[in-house]
Amino acid sequence: TQLLEQSPQFLSIQEGENLTVYCNSSSVFSSLQWYRQEPGEGPVLLVTVVTGGEVKKLKRLTFQFGDARKDSSLHITAAQPGDTGLYLCAGARVEETSGSRLTFGEGTQLTVNP
Amino acid sequence: AAGVIQSPRHLIKEKRETATLKCYPIPRHDTVYWYQQGPGQDPQFLISFYEKMQSDKGSIPDRFSAQQFSDYHSELNMSSLELGDSALYFCASSPPGGGRGYTFGSGTRLTVV
Repeated sequence: TQLLEQSPQFLSIQEGENLTVYCNSSSVFSSLQWYRQEPGEGPVLLVTVVTGGEVKKLKRLTFQFGDARKDSSLHITAAQPGDTGLYLCAGARVEETSGSRLTFGEGTQLTVNP
Repeated sequence: AAGVIQSPRHLIKEKRETATLKCYPIPRHDTVYWYQQGPGQDPQFLISFYEKMQSDKGSIPDRFSAQQFSDYHSELNMSSLELGDSALYFCASSPPGGGRGYTFGSGTRLTVV
């Protein structure tokens, strides 16, 4: 059973479209992070959200943390081919403790077609 | 800015051999994490070290061991390698405080033949 359910797993859209990726859990997280990973490379941190209801924007990307800190979403506006990649959500369940593990969702493979 | 350095980048080993993967965290980061990522899968947590002590343990096989040294670099030792150990192995580090931002290395691609 996956602790973090990420959806959709695959998404293929046209350039200029909007999209939303969801990350849901029954567990409460002290923080939730979104990463983007290219093939054969390590995940690159996009954002960390820590407060319930928090919204963070990174250019065309908008990240939201649910009020109960159990879920999060990533919204991309006017997607571009350069947005193509694997998007991973990951949660940290231990509050402010060094060494706490990240639990990853299954990832969303996004393809933006020109 | 300095990143997390992993070596080697690629490694090919035969079954039953031993492999050692190295990780050099970002300076002043006090925690190191090891993850294993199989093809088409999300990263699975193996083990972590905080201030050179094991701090958390995940699904790490008994054939694997790891440690963090006085200079904060870490090594993952893998013995009696099996075909199923073929994967990308990532190391990540985080600054004091934990849980707020991990920086991953580029990984070591281990292929067991």
